[in-house]
Amino acid sequence: DTEVTQTPKHLVMGMTNKKSLKCEQHMGHRAMYWYKQKAKKPPELMFVYSYEKLSINESVPSRFSPECPNSSLLNLHLHALQPEDSALYLCASSRGTGNNEKLFFGSGTQLSVL
Amino acid sequence: EDQVTQSPEALRLQEGESSSLNCSYTVSGLRGLFWYRQDPGKGPEFLFTLYSAGEEKEKERLKATLTKKESFLHITAPKPEDSATYLCAVQAHGNTGKLIFGQGTTLQVKP
Repeated sequence: DTEVTQTPKHLVMGMTNKKSLKCEQHMGHRAMYWYKQKAKKPPELMFVYSYEKLSINESVPSRFSPECPNSSLLNLHLHALQPEDSALYLCASSRGTGNNEKLFFGSGTQLSVL
Repeated sequence: EDQVTQSPEALRLQEGESSSLNCSYTVSGLRGLFWYRQDPGKGPEFLFTLYSAGEEKEKERLKATLTKKESFLHITAPKPEDSATYLCAVQAHGNTGKLIFGQGTTLQVKP
C-alpha cells in the first residue's frame, strides 16, 4: 500500500463552523505533513510531524490546529476560518525527515470557506 | 533566502515534439532536488530525486538532470497523457522535512 488517503475530498464550511480534515497512511512512515495549495500556486508547507511530535509550524494561524494521534493518522482541525483560507489542503508522508526522503502526497481536500 | 524558479510558466507542445523544463535554485546547501507531476485537483506525484551535480535519472519519456545551479526535466516524444503541471522542489540543509517548491510549469501536449 503506497497511498496517502485524505477525507473528505471536498468540504464547504461557514466561518463559524468547526471541521476536521483527516489523513491516513499505512506505509510505516514516521513523518507526516500538511501543505496548503492555492489555485495555480505551488504547495506551501504548514506543519511537519516527526515521530508523532510537531517539529515544524510555519507560523500558521491558530485557527488551524494539527493533531497526530498515532504514526498512521494526521488530523487538521479547522475553526473560525476566513474565505481566504479556501484552498486545496494536501497531506503527505515520508519515511523520515532525513536527506532525500521523498514525500508521498494524498489527493487533497478541496476546502471552500463561505 | 532559499529560492526555486521554474521556466517556462506554461508550455504547449505537439505530440512527439521533445522539449525541456528548467528549474533554477538558490539554496544554502542542497540536500535533494525533487520533481513532481501534478494533475488538476490531485496531489503531486513523485517522479525523481537528484542530490549531486551530474546526476541523471530516467523514467519512460522523462529524464531529469542536475547541475550546481539548475535542473532540467527533458521530455522526449511527449504524448497527450504527459499533460500536467510539473513541480520542482528543493530540500535545503537545516530545513529538515521542508520542501521549497517552484511555481511549476504547466505542460499541454496536443495530439
